[in-house]
Amino acid sequence: GENVEQHPSTLSVQEGDSAVIKCTYSDSASNYFPWYKQELGKRPQLIIDIRSNVGEKKDQRIAVTLNKTAKHFSLHITETQPEDSAVYFCAASRWETGNQFYFGTGTSLTVIP
Amino acid sequence: DVKVTQSSRYLVKRTGEKVFLECVQDMDHENMFWYRQDPGLGLRLIYFSYDVKMKEKGDIPEGYSVSREKKERFSLILESASTNQTSMYLCASSSPLAGAYNEQFFGPGTRLTVL
Repeated sequence: GENVEQHPSTLSVQEGDSAVIKCTYSDSASNYFPWYKQELGKRPQLIIDIRSNVGEKKDQRIAVTLNKTAKHFSLHITETQPEDSAVYFCAASRWETGNQFYFGTGTSLTVIP
Repeated sequence: DVKVTQSSRYLVKRTGEKVFLECVQDMDHENMFWYRQDPGLGLRLIYFSYDVKMKEKGDIPEGYSVSREKKERFSLILESASTNQTSMYLCASSSPLAGAYNEQFFGPGTRLTVL
């Protein structure tokens, strides 16, 4: 089955700096890569996703890049704000296996004001 | 707006008890999932279901079973609760009709403590 590794497990940045979270996956057939944000005490929510036919996607201050050859994808947050503090999960999925998500172990991001 | 609800936010049970965790979604989604979330381990899939009365094992099904008698409801059952099942349990749903790449919507979670 698919194996997703996520690094780092914790990350602290100063407000206004950038944050980068990296994930690798093992199944070259995976074709959908969502990122979820989970604020303390709340449910995970999708913040951005990328499909295997796209190399990069941006949405305001967040972006995701995908390198299919190396089987890794990354989340980039620019101009970080205190409300970006949360746990972030990456996931990999393959449509043919019925939308089963394989999640990374999570990154706890703290933005220091 | 998709709404996924879970029957309890917090639950305390004793070892050996039979435990039912209920999840309901109101968006007519075909797919439903149960995960457990533990620090440092991320979200691990226990069971999932593509349709009523259908179920598939995830990565950690041991000690759990599920039931899906109605499309909107997916139940997770701990036949005989053990202390190592103390965890946060998250339910999610999605629809394949939304396209090949479809978001999973999560419930608020149930924090289960087994004493």
